[in-house]
Amino acid sequence: EVQLVESGGGLVQPGGSLRLSCAASGFIFSTYSMNWVRQAPGKGLEWVSYISSSSDTKNYADSVKGRFTISRDNAKNSLFLQMNSLRAEDTAVYYCARDDNTASGVVVSYFGPWGQGTLVTVSS
Amino acid sequence: IQMTQSPPSLSASVGDRVTITCRASQSISSYLNWYQQKPGKAPKVLIFAASSLQSGVPSRFSGSGSGTDFTLTISSLQPEDFATYYCQQSFSTLITFGQGTRLEIK
Repeated sequence: EVQLVESGGGLVQPGGSLRLSCAASGFIFSTYSMNWVRQAPGKGLEWVSYISSSSDTKNYADSVKGRFTISRDNAKNSLFLQMNSLRAEDTAVYYCARDDNTASGVVVSYFGPWGQGTLVTVSS
Repeated sequence: IQMTQSPPSLSASVGDRVTITCRASQSISSYLNWYQQKPGKAPKVLIFAASSLQSGVPSRFSGSGSGTDFTLTISSLQPEDFATYYCQQSFSTLITFGQGTRLEIK
């Protein structure tokens, strides 16, 4: 069974840092690209960051570029999100999600399995 | 790329046929996916590549469209379908979601 389990959320002051983790199991982690997606309380979904399977490619939403860093450890089946210079507007549930693709034809990516999320609250 | 869903909310009854639309600010070919989210839960994919049904998703869900205009249709609403639905484009490396459509019981 595919499982993604996030951890590391909590309360942090504005300007502070936090490191989120996502533990993967039930699939060959090293062969999949991964993403972080967040959802502010009562709001919609916002994609945050993407990392390719070998870490060659990393993409970020404009709202977090320069403050957040995505990384992974394929030997430990783990995905990370280092969040620095946190702001109140970063308060959200953060989900990790696997990047799945269509099997044939035009390759379309979509978010397959998701974790249950971890809540990050930025407040003084 | 901006994704605009309509309507923002919708009231319907069990057995109704429901259509949710999603419009992209530029052509995204078929790089369009639909998700369902229930309160307190993670989203789950329903439709990918505009019209492909994810394994395990009931056949009452269907998707169509290409370019800039897309639709998600639920042919006969079931009680478990009341949730929030999001479209999402993966044409650009900067992935974006629609603002969501909340489907409520009438």
